[in-house]
Amino acid sequence: GAGVSQSPSNKVTEKGKDVELRCDPISGHTALYWYRQRLGQGLEFLIYFQGNSAPDKSGLPSDRFSAERTGESVSTLTIQRTQQEDSAVYLCASSLAAGTQYFGPGTRLLVL
Amino acid sequence: AQKVTQAQTEISVVEKEDVTLDCVYETRDTTYYLFWYKQPPSGELVFLIRRNSFDEQNEISGRYSWNFQKSTSSFNFTITASQVVDSAVYFCALIQGGAGSYQLTFGKGTKLSVIP
Repeated sequence: GAGVSQSPSNKVTEKGKDVELRCDPISGHTALYWYRQRLGQGLEFLIYFQGNSAPDKSGLPSDRFSAERTGESVSTLTIQRTQQEDSAVYLCASSLAAGTQYFGPGTRLLVL
Repeated sequence: AQKVTQAQTEISVVEKEDVTLDCVYETRDTTYYLFWYKQPPSGELVFLIRRNSFDEQNEISGRYSWNFQKSTSSFNFTITASQVVDSAVYFCALIQGGAGSYQLTFGKGTKLSVIP
């Protein structure tokens, strides 16, 4: 079956613009995660969705970051007023409840 | 808070050598889950293995083997007879089993280069 998909693959934007990143989880996976990987760094947790429960937003670095998910379908991560330090690869993962997380290919964001 | 340490930043080996990637973790929970992921140059994270804290059996899968030792809080990964295709960044990660989100806490990764 299809894996996790993300779009766009690459995004170049100017400082101060807003960007939206999309994630399509594996069908049937109830949990969805967003992580960020800055150049040469490990992965940082951003936000977690589980079914219709309130999301865990504890990893979001600032109020410029927000994410939505409708039910158990796609999720959108929005970064408002982008800054150069937002440049990173944004990775989405999905899983069955507390199961193993499977990752998408990521969106490479470059803020000029 | 939980923490994963991968002390080896970069390792280079010659093809067919064996190599061990170290992972040390910290957690206050008695139930937790350990993982290894591979990130090849293409960038996508590939799941390799998951281990539960109550199962200390070592595991072998082809040329890959994992040594889980709770006494030393380590979960090391060995590649036997390395191949060029093993060149990648390898991440060790941890999920605490308590209530809350099952977010992965990652180590900083070990970059493995296998030289032909």
